Amino acid sequence: DAKTTQPTSMDCAEGRAANLPCNHSTISGNEYVYWYRQIHSQGPQYIIHGLKNNETNEMASLIITEDRKSSTLILPHATLRDTAVYYCIVSPANFGNEKLTFGTGTRLTIIP
Amino acid sequence: DAGVIQSPRHEVTEMGQEVTLRCKPISGHNSLFWYRQTMMRGLELLIYFNNNVPIDDSGMPEDRFSAKMPNASFSTLKIQPSEPRDSAVYFCASSRSGGRQPQHFGDGTRLSIL
Repeated sequence: DAKTTQPTSMDCAEGRAANLPCNHSTISGNEYVYWYRQIHSQGPQYIIHGLKNNETNEMASLIITEDRKSSTLILPHATLRDTAVYYCIVSPANFGNEKLTFGTGTRLTIIP
Repeated sequence: DAGVIQSPRHEVTEMGQEVTLRCKPISGHNSLFWYRQTMMRGLELLIYFNNNVPIDDSGMPEDRFSAKMPNASFSTLKIQPSEPRDSAVYFCASSRSGGRQPQHFGDGTRLSIL
């Protein structure tokens, strides 16, 4: 699996947009970008994934650069409940290879 | 809808004892994953099943660990004999197979081996 690089920690003011970057310069053509988060003492929670187009759902937006070497997760209006560790993962996640390799992630703290 | 259900939520036992962790995946999901999380090693995949068959067990640390999935609605992770270094939070996750389906995690079992 391709490796990802994320900042160790970030702060964001409540109500502002939180932009979390991720570098995945060795991503392969068949690998998707996945984002999960883990709130303290809970299991990881799926947020969003994409291949090359930008994606949006009720939780967040995912912006992938044209060369696919980096991406940004955007939480449009951060709340205190968004304080968590955010993991960026690349994986083909196709049948027989559904493994997700979690790195150290970014610890996002939302400041009141 | 019920999520992934793990039991027990907490387990404290003495080294050398057998430990069995249980997981009930979301109904209709046919891929099941066991992860372990520690401060030192982070979140790591131990094994995953598809349609009750183990697909990748390369993360299982050693022969003391074994996992089974006797049917689509139940899986166990067993440690025998347990050691203090097995202390961790163990998560079970499930997903629909076919690729690129999100994994849904349970709340985990916090295991302490004294």
